[in-house]
Amino acid sequence: KQEVTQIPAALSVPEGENLVLNCSFTDSAIYNLQWFRQDPGKGLTSLLLIQSSQREQTSGRLNASLDKSSGRSTLYIAASQPGDSATYLCALNTGTASKLTFGTGTRLQVTL
Amino acid sequence: DVKVTQSSRYLVKRTGEKVFLECVQDMDHENMFWYRQDPGLGLRLIYFSYDVKMKEKGDIPEGYSVSREKKERFSLILESASTNQTSMYLCASSLSAGGGETQYFGPGTRLLVL
Repeated sequence: KQEVTQIPAALSVPEGENLVLNCSFTDSAIYNLQWFRQDPGKGLTSLLLIQSSQREQTSGRLNASLDKSSGRSTLYIAASQPGDSATYLCALNTGTASKLTFGTGTRLQVTL
Repeated sequence: DVKVTQSSRYLVKRTGEKVFLECVQDMDHENMFWYRQDPGLGLRLIYFSYDVKMKEKGDIPEGYSVSREKKERFSLILESASTNQTSMYLCASSLSAGGGETQYFGPGTRLLVL
């Protein structure tokens, strides 16, 4: 059974700092990996999707990488802003009808 | 823009009541999903549907059922609500059954069962 771990569970950084969020998984037979953002009490917003054949994806200040052989993905946030404060979730798609297995998330706070 | 809407943001029900949670998507997506989210446990898949009238159990289907009579609408039913079903419920949809598509989420329904 696929297990997805996100460490740390919570992170606080000052504004302007570059940061890396980690996601590790136990089964490398994945179809794709997604990073989501969730604001308190809200739904999830998709940030980046990396197909299994890709190594990274970029969107603005966000860069996500995927290393299937080591069972790891990272989300890099450049020049963090207070508006980046949220919980970040990674989710793996093993290809069975698009079902996702989620990590428990990293709660990020960016302080002024 | 894809829009996924859920019928209620907050809901309070009593133990034993039958509860309906509705989800509608406006982008002709084939797949629809129901998750629940609990602190420390993350998101867990309850049921999903890859076509009208088709449904499959997810990881935690016990105590729930679903209905998909129309492509755009996916309903989650709690036949007899219990306090351990107090949770945040999230609906999602994706374009096709190919497996490579982004899932789009609704805003969630926070359900309290007393």
